[in-house]
Amino acid sequence: SAVISQKPSRDICQRGTSLTIQCQVDSQVTMMFWYRQQPGQSLTLIATANQGSEATYESGFVIDKFPISRPNLTFSTLTVSNMSPEDSSIYLCSVDGANYGYTFGSGTRLTVV
Amino acid sequence: AQSVTQPDIHITVSEGASLELRCNYSYGATPYLFWYVQSPGQGLQLLLKYFSGDTLVQGIKGFEAEFKRSQSSFNLRKPSVHWSDAAEYFCAVGNAAGNKLTFGGGTRVLVKP
Repeated sequence: SAVISQKPSRDICQRGTSLTIQCQVDSQVTMMFWYRQQPGQSLTLIATANQGSEATYESGFVIDKFPISRPNLTFSTLTVSNMSPEDSSIYLCSVDGANYGYTFGSGTRLTVV
Repeated sequence: AQSVTQPDIHITVSEGASLELRCNYSYGATPYLFWYVQSPGQGLQLLLKYFSGDTLVQGIKGFEAEFKRSQSSFNLRKPSVHWSDAAEYFCAVGNAAGNKLTFGGGTRVLVKP
């Protein structure tokens, strides 16, 4: 199955700043997915990133707040912009490993102060 | 739209006892179903998946799940739990390979000595 390297693993950021999270996959994948897990909650899909096209955002998430880049088939970034304490969450990227199921990165634990 | 319900928010079981976690899904066609486990401070690990075929699926760590189309369920079971099984368990549904997953709210499992 695919192996995902996600970084940073955690960060503490000041409100009003931005953080960019990176995910590197060890194989080429068509789509990458970005999820948010708020404290004590389940995972919610932010957007789907397809190489060569704009990301598709789920209801409640907008590109200005969560811009995504997908420059090639093995890499993607998610930026959390103009952060507020409500953005404190774990952010995870994921890829479809076909017969192996979906693989997740280890997550980025973000705290906004 | 697809959805997943995990009716039990918390379950406490004694070490060595059996465990069953419930998952009900809503989806019009044959779903892709998954169970993931998340230990404290960790990422998500795939326990097992169902795409098609045999409705009783074996996974890692001694877990199994049974797909019941008539009940729209995909319950997870383990005959004898170990203290290391204490974690959060998530059921998820997808509509096709490569498409997004929708997660249930999760069930937190506590294991008593």
